Amino acid sequence: DQQVKQNSPSLSVQEGRISILNCDYTNSMFDYFLWYKKYPAEGPTFLISISSIKDKNEDGRFTVFLNKSAKHLSLHIVPSQPGDSAVYFCTYSGGGADGLTFGKGTHLIIQP
Amino acid sequence: NAGVTQTPKFQVLKTGQSMTLQCAQDMNHEYMSWYRQDPGMGLRLIHYSVGAGITDQGEVPNGYNVSRSTTEDFPLRLLSAAPSQTSVYFCASSYSPTGNTEAFFGQGTRLTVV
Repeated sequence: DQQVKQNSPSLSVQEGRISILNCDYTNSMFDYFLWYKKYPAEGPTFLISISSIKDKNEDGRFTVFLNKSAKHLSLHIVPSQPGDSAVYFCTYSGGGADGLTFGKGTHLIIQP
Repeated sequence: NAGVTQTPKFQVLKTGQSMTLQCAQDMNHEYMSWYRQDPGMGLRLIHYSVGAGITDQGEVPNGYNVSRSTTEDFPLRLLSAAPSQTSVYFCASSYSPTGNTEAFFGQGTRLTVV
């Protein structure tokens, strides 16, 4: 089974700087990793994804980097904005019907 | 465009009571699922459905029942509430459970069992 580990429960970054959120996984076989963003009292919303055949995916201020040899991926947010303050979940999407496997999340706090 | 609608938003139950958490989606998605989120944890899958009439268990199914009589609705039933079921519950839908498919989540139901 694939396990997804987000080892930093929280991260504080100054507005305008780069935010880097990290995620490790255990099983080399995978299809996609997806990042979801969650504000308090709301459900998670999709942010960006990366497939196993790529090492980078970019969407505006958000970039996902994948290092398959280290079984590690990271989400970069540049520049960080106050609206980026949220909990970010790294999730794994495999080939089965059991949907997404979530990491524990990282609470990103953007300080003015 | 309503997306995924969950009701109620908040609920307090006494131990042993039963209740149904409602979930409806208007995107004609075949795949629907229920998750629970506990403090310091990611979301964990309770039950899922790949279409009307088809349901299956996820990672933490004990104490919960589901049914899927229509494409739109996927209610979650707590049979006999226990304090361990105090959690935030999220319903999600997508056109597929696999691959690079965006899941749409409801706003959540915060349940407290006393």
